[in-house]
Amino acid sequence: SQQGEEDPQALSIQEGENATMNCSYKTSINNLQWYRQNSGRGLVHLILIRSNEREKHSGRLRVTLDTSKKSSSLLITASRAADTASYFCATEETSGSRLTFGEGTQLTVNP
Amino acid sequence: DTEVTQTPKHLVMGMTNKKSLKCEQHMGHRAMYWYKQKAKKPPELMFVYSYEKLSINESVPSRFSPECPNSSLLNLHLHALQPEDSALYLCASSQEPPGGLNWETQYFGPGTRLLVL
Repeated sequence: SQQGEEDPQALSIQEGENATMNCSYKTSINNLQWYRQNSGRGLVHLILIRSNEREKHSGRLRVTLDTSKKSSSLLITASRAADTASYFCATEETSGSRLTFGEGTQLTVNP
Repeated sequence: DTEVTQTPKHLVMGMTNKKSLKCEQHMGHRAMYWYKQKAKKPPELMFVYSYEKLSINESVPSRFSPECPNSSLLNLHLHALQPEDSALYLCASSQEPPGGLNWETQYFGPGTRLLVL
């Protein structure tokens, strides 16, 4: 079963605006990742944050992790039309045997 | 080379057909994965190969048969599939198997879109 729930399910914004997506999970984790998937294509790894980290940056991406609330957020700043994609969070549970993907957020960035 | 390749890109098959999906990586990764993804849903793990041996089978029906001929190749043999098996099949690899170094970061291929009639 998938333990990650993402919010919102769909998000539509204008180019240049910021996009924020949230992910909640249920069990203890070693780390949490975010992946992007363009329509009908494979997933691309974006960023990984470990359970002892609270915030991480990579280019226009900012990820936060709150282990007490079992939640994470992904912020994409100054969005571009090319950012249009589905975004999935994925958690590695402390058992460390598999990744569990959230339901995903479909982001549409309008030019 | 940080690419995972998959063939074919698209596949249409009848319920009595036998077909195979192929996946290849040349990154020296020790673990390879098959995922199934239905439309607008997250990927679901099917199989994990660690050092060319099957280490995880997520209770996948026997009509799906994985094979790892060598450390770079992963096949998924399909036989007597059902229409509900239509989906995007994704292959992925990681540097080490689950629990090992950097195993969590997985590199995905573009997928094979399968339609079962």
